Amino acid sequence: AQTVTQSQPEMSVQEAETVTLSCTYDTSESDYYLFWYKQPPSRQMILVIRQEAYKQQNATENRFSVNFQKAAKSFSLKISDSQLGDAAMYFCAYRSDNAGNMLTFGGGTRLMVKP
Amino acid sequence: EAGVVQSPRYKIIEKKQPVAFWCNPISGHNTLYWYLQNLGQGPELLIRYENEEAVDDSQLPKDRFSAERLKGVDSTLKIQPAELGDSAVYLCASRLGGANTGELFFGEGSRLTVL
Repeated sequence: AQTVTQSQPEMSVQEAETVTLSCTYDTSESDYYLFWYKQPPSRQMILVIRQEAYKQQNATENRFSVNFQKAAKSFSLKISDSQLGDAAMYFCAYRSDNAGNMLTFGGGTRLMVKP
Repeated sequence: EAGVVQSPRYKIIEKKQPVAFWCNPISGHNTLYWYLQNLGQGPELLIRYENEEAVDDSQLPKDRFSAERLKGVDSTLKIQPAELGDSAVYLCASRLGGANTGELFFGEGSRLTVL
C-alpha cells in the first residue's frame, strides 16, 4: 500500500516571502499522480496543483510550484510571495494510475502566514 | 456550476444515537467518495462508489456504518449506533469517471460531535 508522509506539522512564513512544504511517498508503481490540496478553516479541500509522474517537468500554477524528485519519491510545494489567504492546512496526496482512483493523503502541514 | 453539497454541516448527538449524512455530488460525476477526517489529520477513505456500486468499502466499519447511493447520484452515510470515537469530519468528494488526471472535488464536510 502507498503511504504519504508530511514531516512538517506546522510551518510559518512572513507575508511576501517564500515557503516550501515537504512531502515524501512510498510506492512500487511507476505511473501515478501527485497532488497538493489546500484546506482553509471552512474545511473545503481545494486542489492547488497536480503532477503526473511520467512528466519530468515540474508543475507550476501561478505562485505555486512543485519540486518533483521521482527517484527520491519526494514532492515538495513551494509557495512564492506568500499571502495571508494562503494560511491553511496543506495536504499532499497520491493517486495510483489504475482503476482504483483512490487518493491517499499525508497527515497535513499547517501553514501560518505572518503579516 | 454547483459544487459537492453536503448536509448537515454540523451535528451533535449523544452516543448510541443514529446519525446520517447526505451528499450531492457534482452533476455528471460518476465516482463518489466518503472520507473520514479526524482532527489534525489527513482524510481516510471510507467508501468509494462507481455509479451506484460500492467498489471499495474495505475501510468502512460495517458493524455500525452503512452507505448507499441509490440511482447513482446522491449518497447517504449512516452511523448506528454512534460512538464517542466517531467524532470527526465526514467529507464527500466526487470525480468525473473515465481516464483523466483524477482530480477530486470535495464538499465542505459534515462535522460530527458525539457526546
